[in-house]
Amino acid sequence: RKEVEQDPGPFNVPEGATVAFNCTYSNSASQSFFWYRQDCRKEPKLLMSVYSSGNEDGRFTAQLNRASQYISLLIRDSKLSDSATYLCVVNKGGFQKLVFGTGTRLLVSP
Amino acid sequence: EAQVTQNPRYLITVTGKKLTVTCSQNMNHEYMSWYRQDPGLGLRQIYYSMNVEVTDKGDVPEGYKVSRKEKRNFPLILESPSPNQTSLYFCASSFRDNTGELFFGEGSRLTVL
Repeated sequence: RKEVEQDPGPFNVPEGATVAFNCTYSNSASQSFFWYRQDCRKEPKLLMSVYSSGNEDGRFTAQLNRASQYISLLIRDSKLSDSATYLCVVNKGGFQKLVFGTGTRLLVSP
Repeated sequence: EAQVTQNPRYLITVTGKKLTVTCSQNMNHEYMSWYRQDPGLGLRQIYYSMNVEVTDKGDVPEGYKVSRKEKRNFPLILESPSPNQTSLYFCASSFRDNTGELFFGEGSRLTVL
């Protein structure tokens, strides 16, 4: 079983749609969680951290469910510019021991 | 401009010909790391460094070497490249006490024939 698992997609949605991605992790001792965004052939960039209480940044909402060991990312009012691959990242313990999921690809169409 | 710079960005080489991919950051970060990204496997850590002269193996270190003689530089060395090292490589850096934000270079696409 992979340490971090994501549905690879692609998720094809029209502009304005709401879309949600889930990510599951296997190490119950994981301490911190993040979503990164990666545009095609570009480097990953931090989108947002995921806090236990859930957090929101504009159209993006991230949530953590420790009991079920998954995190989620909700994107409201999708824009064409949201088209990218979204990487779930988990700190499996210890400084900077980050484990990256393989990513979920999102395609937003006009 | 704060950035992580990798060179070369693209390279085609042949089996066994030693090569070095350079990485330099101008943010005074203590931590630096190398990843490779392959389809279906995601980003996998090769080596990382907590500070000058301190390096450690990541998840896939075989066939690679690194050094950290200066804080800003963290080169990745392939002593005898093989075709299974064909991949997209990313260098990343951060402060030691950060909350998980890594700053990545633009990537180096390496093909070993």
